[in-house]
Amino acid sequence: QLQLQESGPGLVKPSETLSLTCSVSGGSISSSSYYWGWIRQPPGKGLEWIGNIYYSGSTYYNSSLKSRVTISADTSKNQFSLKLTSVTAADTAVYYCAIYRLGDDFWSGYWDYWGQGTLVTVSS
Amino acid sequence: SYELTQPPSVSVSPGQTATITCSGNKLGDKYACWYQQRPGQSPVLVIYQDNKRPSGIPERFSGSNSGNTATLTISGTQAMDEGDYFCQAWDSTKVVFGGGTKLTVL
Repeated sequence: QLQLQESGPGLVKPSETLSLTCSVSGGSISSSSYYWGWIRQPPGKGLEWIGNIYYSGSTYYNSSLKSRVTISADTSKNQFSLKLTSVTAADTAVYYCAIYRLGDDFWSGYWDYWGQGTLVTVSS
Repeated sequence: SYELTQPPSVSVSPGQTATITCSGNKLGDKYACWYQQRPGQSPVLVIYQDNKRPSGIPERFSGSNSGNTATLTISGTQAMDEGDYFCQAWDSTKVVFGGGTKLTVL
């Protein structure tokens, strides 16, 4: 069974860059069946999609974050990563990495597995 | 921008049927998914492609999607079903989540 584990600093200063890594076990991020993504949840609030990456390197980003977000993949380490620049307190959230399983077409897919999430606080 | 609207809260008695709605413009033309999130836990997929249940999800969970509304129905609701429920769909190239519904089993 696929498992995901987020890692990275739990505290980031305003204006700096948030960097997280998701380690994948039980499967390969080179699989053509999945996209790999990041979703966040501010404390006490709802879910916000950040972006996805495919093993080929193609990406989809939330337009509201696109100017600050980079998602990359390291197939040799079976990991993918998130970088979010110029963070503010509004970026404080639990960050989840998750697997987007493709259906018959891209839009019929679904978020199949989620990591346990990691809380990132933006504060000086 | 595309929005999915859910009621903030739904209450149900144990053993009764809980219905959670998700509204969006022409949502029936898209695929809807539903995720359950128990307190302090990660979301779990309970319905995908409008009405399909992943392996391990009890049969009491069902879904439908037509017109502007997707619906999650939990028949014979149990105390363990308490939590937040989020609908999700794609709007062009953007994933959209509903604001979430807190299900309370009284």
